[in-house]
Amino acid sequence: GAGVSQSPRYKVAKRGQDVALRCDPISGHVSLFWYQQALGQGPEFLTYFQNEAQLDKSGLPSDRFFAERPEGSVSTLKIQRTQQEDSAVYLCASSSQDTSNQPQHFGDGTRLSIL
Amino acid sequence: KQEVTQIPAALSVPEGENLVLNCSFTDSAIYNLQWFRQDPGKGLTSLLLIQSSQREQTSGRLNASLDKSSGRSTLYIAASQPGDSATYLCAVRGNFNKFYFGSGTKLNVKP
Repeated sequence: GAGVSQSPRYKVAKRGQDVALRCDPISGHVSLFWYQQALGQGPEFLTYFQNEAQLDKSGLPSDRFFAERPEGSVSTLKIQRTQQEDSAVYLCASSSQDTSNQPQHFGDGTRLSIL
Repeated sequence: KQEVTQIPAALSVPEGENLVLNCSFTDSAIYNLQWFRQDPGKGLTSLLLIQSSQREQTSGRLNASLDKSSGRSTLYIAASQPGDSATYLCAVRGNFNKFYFGSGTKLNVKP
């Protein structure tokens, strides 16, 4: 497809379960970002990849959160031992090489609900 | 840490009005500022991107300005339409490709 694709669109899990969220960026986009968006708030930065290298993971809220992009294209955000406070929309964005003058393109997000 | 604030949080106007949305940021050391639109249950759609060296950008009925030294940006929407109803978010890019978002302005344009 032409845009950023995220799956699943909705995920419901019980507290304590592990979840994996997938992001397919726009083909050829080097940079990939994950954000967490709480209801009524703007997205909060989680982590950033350039190709397969995770250059910044300072926004990950705890060591239960882990992201990877092993081949520099598809990325997975994994949350272990989920907690209720992890409930949010998780957004993925990609951009081409030079992000100083290229916009970020967002997927529609995965809405995660922890029961 | 960079703080981005958007005022007002919500705005309701009749169709046809011109309107201004405000965005302010605390650290003027930014690379660019981007305005987005977000529809319910959807991701963000980029509207305008202003580089730090630029003062404004225009696209159709939208005009965004940037005053980096004072930490302010405005998004001007001319002749508003019901289809413009959405949440508008601004984001600034700081060092190391960190992007900081405001909480958004929820716009309702009444027919």
